Order: sequence, then C-alpha cells, then structure tokens
Amino acid sequence: EAEVAQSPRYKITEKSQAVAFWCDPISGHATLYWYRQILGQGPELLVQFQDESVVDDSQLPKDRFSAERLKGVDSTLKIQPAELGDSAMYLCASSRTIFPYEQYFGPGTRLTVT
Amino acid sequence: AQTVTQSQPEMSVQEAETVTLSCTYDTSESNYYLFWYKQPPSRQMILVIRQEAYKQQNATENRFSVNFQKAAKSFSLKISDSQLGDTAMYFCAFTRLTQGGSEKLVFGKGTKLTVNP
Repeated sequence: EAEVAQSPRYKITEKSQAVAFWCDPISGHATLYWYRQILGQGPELLVQFQDESVVDDSQLPKDRFSAERLKGVDSTLKIQPAELGDSAMYLCASSRTIFPYEQYFGPGTRLTVT
Repeated sequence: AQTVTQSQPEMSVQEAETVTLSCTYDTSESNYYLFWYKQPPSRQMILVIRQEAYKQQNATENRFSVNFQKAAKSFSLKISDSQLGDTAMYFCAFTRLTQGGSEKLVFGKGTKLTVNP
C-alpha cells in the first residue's frame, strides 16, 4: 500500500539554526499539505500545494518558514532561524483532486528546538 | 471561517463496550466533508470514517459509525465493541469542497480515548 514518506522522523536543533524537512507524497497525488501539530492539539495547515503551485500559505510564518515543491512531486519545508516555539510535529499529507478527497498522512517529523 | 469543537478532552471505555465521541462544527458552506481521524501514540494519523454533507445516511465502517445531524452541525463517532487497539487521539475534521478539489482540513483539538482491559 502506497504511503506518504517523510524524513527525518526526529530532529533536534538549536535555536537560530536552520532546519529542513522532506516529504514524498503518494504517487499521483497532485495536492500536498504541510501541517504543524503542537503537542495536545489538532494539526493546523501551514501550506497547501496543487502540483508545484502554492494554493494556501496564509498561516505560514513567511519571515522564517519557506516551502517548495519544484517539480510538483516531493516537497521541502524549511525553517530559518528556528525558534523555541517551533518545537512541534510537522505532518505532510497528500490527496487526489477527485473524489473521495481523502488526505493521507505521513509519519511526521518531530522537531525539538533547544 | 470554519471551526470544529471537540468538548471531551479525554474519555475512557472498557474493552468490548461502546463509546461515543462528540464533535460540533460551524460553517456557512453547503458542500463539505467531515472526517474522524485516529492518531495512535507515536504513530501516524489514519482516516477512520468520512461523511459527505449531501448524504443523509450516516456513514459506517465496521465497528465505527457516525451520527451526522446537519441542521445541528453535529458529527459524533460511535465505536462499538471497543478494542485495546482503539486507544488513540481522535480528531474530528472538516473540509470544504471547491472546483479544484478539497481544501485544508480544519481539525478539532482532539479527544484522547483510552480502552481499558
């Protein structure tokens, strides 16, 4: 069964350092999402891609976060510089643009900023 | 903006019994989907059940069923014959549909369910 791949699974970084996360969606899924999940809360969308284009990045802190999906397949989310408040789980999900629109999630990257 | 509210932060149930998790949502949209996702400890989020707003019939998936009350904007999840493997965080989520497909999922804060032996 196809799955969304993410790496690394865990990342510990110091405040003010740069960090990057990678996501490979399920083959054929045109829509890719990056969510941030703070411990004990539900995920919140950071950015949504349709192929290589950004559809929604209204909640992305653009002064320090960037995301790209250059060839419309895999994607990278970067944080520079990392802050203590960025400690969270970063989830990637993908979906088709046709029914049933189900979003499939990857295992996530747990980021700890010290 | 859409909001999703889960009023039960934690619940517990005995193995083999039935439990119901509550969810309410607020939207002015007419075309949308509702979901329940399960997130086991240290494992990835998986879809439990989906409900299309235009369908009056409540969705069921094996031991999982929903009570969808569109007018009341309520979407509860019933788990029958609870199993130890059902222990997880459960998230209620909403997405509206556009011509290009679905938009982001709006999640509730989750309900932590513990199934006791």
